[in-house]
Amino acid sequence: EAGVAQSPRYKIIEKRQSVAFWCNPISGHATLYWYQQILGQGPKLLIQFQNNGVVDDSQLPKDRFSAERLKGVDSTLKIQPAKLEDSAVYLCASSRSGGAENTQYFGPGTRLTVL
Amino acid sequence: GQSLEQPSEVTAVEGAIVQINCTYQTSGFYGLSWYQQHDGGAPTFLSYNGLDGLEETGRFSSFLSRSDSYGYLLLQELQMKDSASYFCAVRDKGNFNKFYFGSGTKLNVKP
Repeated sequence: EAGVAQSPRYKIIEKRQSVAFWCNPISGHATLYWYQQILGQGPKLLIQFQNNGVVDDSQLPKDRFSAERLKGVDSTLKIQPAKLEDSAVYLCASSRSGGAENTQYFGPGTRLTVL
Repeated sequence: GQSLEQPSEVTAVEGAIVQINCTYQTSGFYGLSWYQQHDGGAPTFLSYNGLDGLEETGRFSSFLSRSDSYGYLLLQELQMKDSASYFCAVRDKGNFNKFYFGSGTKLNVKP
């Protein structure tokens, strides 16, 4: 079974520029997550999708961040305009809906550097 | 809100046993998961406790006490490859698919 795919793996931009990340979850996984992980910290949930609907985006800075999962499969996360504090690794994860453990499978992440 | 506390760093020698603690304060608790993350890598699932008690998976065990809002991950027969960060994550009672992650414990295994 193929894992969660993300691209690009690395991105360097200047502040005020825009950037987009792409994620393709494990086939059949209904739930998709975007996390932000700042160096030395744990993953922080930005947005959670169930199929193509948003379940939770309470910690998404909506003035600059947006995300979509139009067909309930792959997803994009966009930042516009970027700030210095957005430098982090952006992790995408997917899971089967419900389940006893709800194991989340993480992609390799996109390391964003904002200069 | 949710609050999780873990030690920031732990050091142990190869072959030893180490325990990583996690205490939490939450408005709605359903379960506790543990994830491992090597430097530059993705978090990978280790264990989940939905009920009080001990769950054992090979060299790793995880424990939960709901009454104490406390859990731990126990790693036995430590190997060099166990050097990584370990995160506890609380499963939200209101949204079963939502997890809040702690800040992580960096485990250094020395020869």
